Amino acid sequence: DAGVIQSPRHEVTEMGQEVTLRCKPISGHDYLFWYRQTMMRGLELLIYFNNNVPIDDSGMPEDRFSAKMPNASFSTLKIQPSEPRDSAVYFCASSVAGSAYEQYFGPGTRLTVT
Amino acid sequence: GQNIDQPTEMTATEGAIVQINCTYQTSGFNGLFWYQQHAGEAPTFLSYNVLDGLEEKGRFSSFLSRSKGYSYLLLKELQMKDSASYLCAVKGDGGATNKLIFGTGTLLAVQP
Repeated sequence: DAGVIQSPRHEVTEMGQEVTLRCKPISGHDYLFWYRQTMMRGLELLIYFNNNVPIDDSGMPEDRFSAKMPNASFSTLKIQPSEPRDSAVYFCASSVAGSAYEQYFGPGTRLTVT
Repeated sequence: GQNIDQPTEMTATEGAIVQINCTYQTSGFNGLFWYQQHAGEAPTFLSYNVLDGLEEKGRFSSFLSRSKGYSYLLLKELQMKDSASYLCAVKGDGGATNKLIFGTGTLLAVQP
Protein backbone atom coordinates (compact mmCIF):
# COMPACT_ATOMS: atom_id res chain seq x y z
CA ASP A 1 0.00 0.00 0.00
CA ALA A 2 1.25 3.50 -0.81
CA GLY A 3 0.26 4.92 2.54
CA VAL A 4 -1.22 8.37 3.06
CA ILE A 5 -0.08 10.78 0.35
CA GLN A 6 0.22 14.51 0.87
CA SER A 7 1.16 17.31 -1.48
CA PRO A 8 3.00 19.53 -1.66
CA ARG A 9 5.74 18.46 0.77
CA HIS A 10 6.94 22.03 1.16
CA GLU A 11 5.14 25.29 0.52
CA VAL A 12 6.52 28.80 0.86
CA THR A 13 4.10 31.63 0.30
CA GLU A 14 3.61 35.27 1.11
CA MET A 15 1.18 36.59 3.65
CA GLY A 16 -2.27 37.06 2.17
CA GLN A 17 -1.98 34.33 -0.43
CA GLU A 18 -4.26 31.32 -0.62
CA VAL A 19 -2.74 27.96 0.27
CA THR A 20 -4.22 24.56 -0.59
CA LEU A 21 -2.92 21.36 0.94
CA ARG A 22 -3.92 17.99 -0.46
CA CYS A 23 -4.30 14.52 0.97
CA LYS A 24 -5.06 11.06 -0.36
CA PRO A 25 -5.92 8.61 2.45
CA ILE A 26 -5.21 4.91 2.46
CA SER A 27 -7.79 3.07 0.36
CA GLY A 28 -10.57 1.60 2.49
CA HIS A 29 -10.06 3.91 5.45
CA ASP A 30 -13.25 5.52 6.77
CA TYR A 31 -11.69 8.36 8.74
CA LEU A 32 -9.49 11.24 7.65
CA PHE A 33 -7.84 13.71 10.03
CA TRP A 34 -6.03 16.99 9.51
CA TYR A 35 -3.44 18.02 12.13
CA ARG A 36 -1.12 20.98 12.59
CA GLN A 37 2.19 20.64 14.43
CA THR A 38 4.30 23.44 15.87
CA MET A 39 7.05 23.48 18.47
CA MET A 40 4.94 25.58 20.82
CA ARG A 41 1.61 23.75 20.60
CA GLY A 42 2.56 20.23 19.52
CA LEU A 43 0.20 18.18 17.37
CA GLU A 44 -3.28 19.69 17.19
CA LEU A 45 -6.32 18.16 15.54
CA LEU A 46 -7.94 20.63 13.17
CA ILE A 47 -10.82 18.64 11.69
CA TYR A 48 -11.78 15.08 10.93
CA PHE A 49 -14.12 13.35 8.49
CA ASN A 50 -15.99 10.07 8.63
CA ASN A 51 -17.16 8.67 5.28
CA ASN A 52 -16.41 12.06 3.68
CA VAL A 53 -18.60 13.96 6.17
CA PRO A 54 -16.98 16.49 8.56
CA ILE A 55 -17.59 15.30 12.12
CA ASP A 56 -15.65 17.71 14.31
CA ASP A 57 -14.13 20.98 13.15
CA SER A 58 -13.73 22.50 16.59
CA GLY A 59 -9.97 22.63 16.14
CA MET A 60 -10.08 24.83 13.05
CA PRO A 61 -8.49 28.05 14.29
CA GLU A 62 -10.67 30.53 12.43
CA ASP A 63 -12.70 31.18 9.32
CA ARG A 64 -9.59 31.51 7.21
CA PHE A 65 -9.29 27.72 7.40
CA SER A 66 -11.59 25.38 5.48
CA ALA A 67 -11.49 21.69 4.62
CA LYS A 68 -13.34 19.52 2.16
CA MET A 69 -13.56 15.86 1.30
CA PRO A 70 -15.40 15.52 -2.01
CA ASN A 71 -14.82 11.77 -2.21
CA ALA A 72 -13.27 8.89 -0.29
CA SER A 73 -9.86 9.32 -1.87
CA PHE A 74 -9.22 13.04 -1.65
CA SER A 75 -9.29 15.89 0.84
CA THR A 76 -8.09 19.49 0.86
CA LEU A 77 -7.23 21.97 3.58
CA LYS A 78 -7.33 25.57 2.45
CA ILE A 79 -6.04 28.70 4.16
CA GLN A 80 -7.23 32.01 2.76
CA PRO A 81 -5.69 34.48 3.42
CA SER A 82 -2.56 32.96 4.92
CA GLU A 83 -0.67 34.62 7.79
CA PRO A 84 2.86 34.09 9.19
CA ARG A 85 1.43 32.44 12.32
CA ASP A 86 0.04 29.66 10.08
CA SER A 87 3.59 28.44 9.48
CA ALA A 88 3.69 24.83 10.69
CA VAL A 89 3.78 21.24 9.51
CA TYR A 90 0.35 20.02 8.46
CA PHE A 91 -0.28 16.28 8.67
CA CYS A 92 -3.08 14.26 7.20
CA ALA A 93 -3.90 10.88 8.75
CA SER A 94 -6.41 8.13 8.05
CA SER A 95 -7.78 5.11 9.87
CA VAL A 96 -10.44 2.46 9.71
CA ALA A 97 -13.46 2.56 12.01
CA GLY A 98 -13.05 1.17 15.52
CA SER A 99 -11.41 2.56 18.62
CA ALA A 100 -8.58 0.01 18.59
CA TYR A 101 -7.25 1.04 15.22
CA GLU A 102 -4.35 3.42 14.93
CA GLN A 103 -4.11 6.40 12.65
CA TYR A 104 -1.63 6.32 9.78
CA PHE A 105 0.05 9.63 9.11
CA GLY A 106 1.17 11.10 5.82
CA PRO A 107 4.62 12.69 5.43
CA GLY A 108 3.27 16.16 6.12
CA THR A 109 3.40 19.53 4.36
CA ARG A 110 5.82 22.07 5.77
CA LEU A 111 4.19 25.49 5.28
CA THR A 112 6.13 28.71 5.60
CA VAL A 113 4.26 32.00 5.30
CA THR A 114 6.52 35.05 4.99
CA GLY B 1 -11.20 19.82 29.83
CA GLN B 2 -8.58 17.77 28.05
CA ASN B 3 -5.06 17.55 29.44
CA ILE B 4 -2.19 15.23 28.64
CA ASP B 5 1.16 15.70 30.37
CA GLN B 6 4.54 14.28 29.44
CA PRO B 7 8.08 15.34 30.29
CA THR B 8 9.49 17.63 27.65
CA GLU B 9 12.90 16.01 27.33
CA MET B 10 14.80 12.96 28.56
CA THR B 11 18.31 11.67 28.06
CA ALA B 12 19.44 8.06 28.31
CA THR B 13 22.45 5.92 27.47
CA GLU B 14 22.71 3.36 24.70
CA GLY B 15 21.89 -0.11 26.01
CA ALA B 16 19.99 1.20 29.02
CA ILE B 17 16.27 1.23 29.88
CA VAL B 18 14.15 4.37 29.90
CA GLN B 19 10.58 4.98 31.06
CA ILE B 20 8.52 7.83 29.61
CA ASN B 21 5.49 8.76 31.68
CA CYS B 22 2.16 10.20 30.58
CA THR B 23 -0.73 11.40 32.70
CA TYR B 24 -4.08 12.35 31.26
CA GLN B 25 -7.39 13.94 32.14
CA THR B 26 -9.95 13.62 29.37
CA SER B 27 -13.74 13.69 29.17
CA GLY B 28 -13.86 10.24 27.56
CA PHE B 29 -11.55 7.27 27.20
CA ASN B 30 -11.40 4.63 24.49
CA GLY B 31 -7.74 3.77 24.60
CA LEU B 32 -4.26 5.23 24.82
CA PHE B 33 -1.70 5.23 22.02
CA TRP B 34 2.02 5.83 21.89
CA TYR B 35 3.59 7.16 18.71
CA GLN B 36 7.22 7.66 17.76
CA GLN B 37 8.26 10.65 15.68
CA HIS B 38 11.76 11.11 14.30
CA ALA B 39 12.84 14.63 13.46
CA GLY B 40 11.33 15.80 10.19
CA GLU B 41 9.15 12.73 9.83
CA ALA B 42 5.56 11.71 10.50
CA PRO B 43 4.43 10.03 13.72
CA THR B 44 4.35 6.23 13.54
CA PHE B 45 2.32 3.91 15.75
CA LEU B 46 4.07 2.09 18.59
CA SER B 47 1.46 0.69 20.98
CA TYR B 48 -2.15 0.69 22.12
CA ASN B 49 -3.63 0.08 25.59
CA VAL B 50 -7.30 0.04 26.49
CA LEU B 51 -7.26 -2.26 29.54
CA ASP B 52 -5.13 -1.89 32.64
CA GLY B 53 -1.80 -3.62 32.53
CA LEU B 54 1.29 -4.07 30.46
CA GLU B 55 1.49 -4.64 26.71
CA GLU B 56 4.84 -5.89 25.47
CA LYS B 57 6.11 -5.64 21.92
CA GLY B 58 9.75 -6.48 21.47
CA ARG B 59 11.97 -3.87 23.10
CA PHE B 60 8.98 -1.61 23.75
CA SER B 61 6.33 -2.05 26.44
CA SER B 62 3.43 0.19 27.41
CA PHE B 63 1.51 0.25 30.68
CA LEU B 64 -1.89 1.69 31.53
CA SER B 65 -3.74 2.46 34.76
CA ARG B 66 -7.15 3.91 33.94
CA SER B 67 -8.02 4.65 37.57
CA LYS B 68 -4.89 6.79 37.90
CA GLY B 69 -5.04 8.31 34.43
CA TYR B 70 -1.48 7.15 33.90
CA SER B 71 0.57 5.39 31.28
CA TYR B 72 4.22 4.78 30.59
CA LEU B 73 6.29 3.65 27.66
CA LEU B 74 9.27 1.48 28.50
CA LEU B 75 12.15 1.20 26.06
CA LYS B 76 14.74 -1.52 26.70
CA GLU B 77 18.19 -2.05 25.23
CA LEU B 78 18.25 1.48 23.91
CA GLN B 79 19.73 2.08 20.49
CA MET B 80 20.88 5.32 18.93
CA LYS B 81 18.01 5.10 16.44
CA ASP B 82 15.56 5.37 19.36
CA SER B 83 16.41 9.07 19.60
CA ALA B 84 13.06 10.63 18.70
CA SER B 85 10.00 12.31 20.13
CA TYR B 86 7.46 10.01 21.82
CA LEU B 87 3.85 11.14 21.75
CA CYS B 88 1.15 9.96 24.13
CA ALA B 89 -2.39 10.21 22.75
CA VAL B 90 -5.80 9.43 24.20
CA LYS B 91 -8.71 8.34 22.05
CA GLY B 92 -12.25 9.25 22.85
CA ASP B 93 -13.85 12.50 23.67
CA GLY B 94 -17.49 12.35 24.76
CA GLY B 95 -18.30 9.57 22.36
CA ALA B 96 -16.19 10.68 19.41
CA THR B 97 -14.31 7.43 19.57
CA ASN B 98 -11.92 8.04 16.70
CA LYS B 99 -10.61 11.42 17.81
CA LEU B 100 -7.09 11.47 19.28
CA ILE B 101 -5.85 14.06 21.78
CA PHE B 102 -2.05 14.26 21.70
CA GLY B 103 0.39 15.29 24.37
CA THR B 104 3.19 17.64 23.35
CA GLY B 105 5.66 14.76 23.25
CA THR B 106 8.85 13.74 25.03
CA LEU B 107 12.08 14.28 23.15
CA LEU B 108 14.41 11.39 23.97
CA ALA B 109 18.11 11.71 23.29
CA VAL B 110 20.11 8.46 23.39
CA GLN B 111 23.80 9.00 24.04
CA PRO B 112 26.67 6.60 23.33
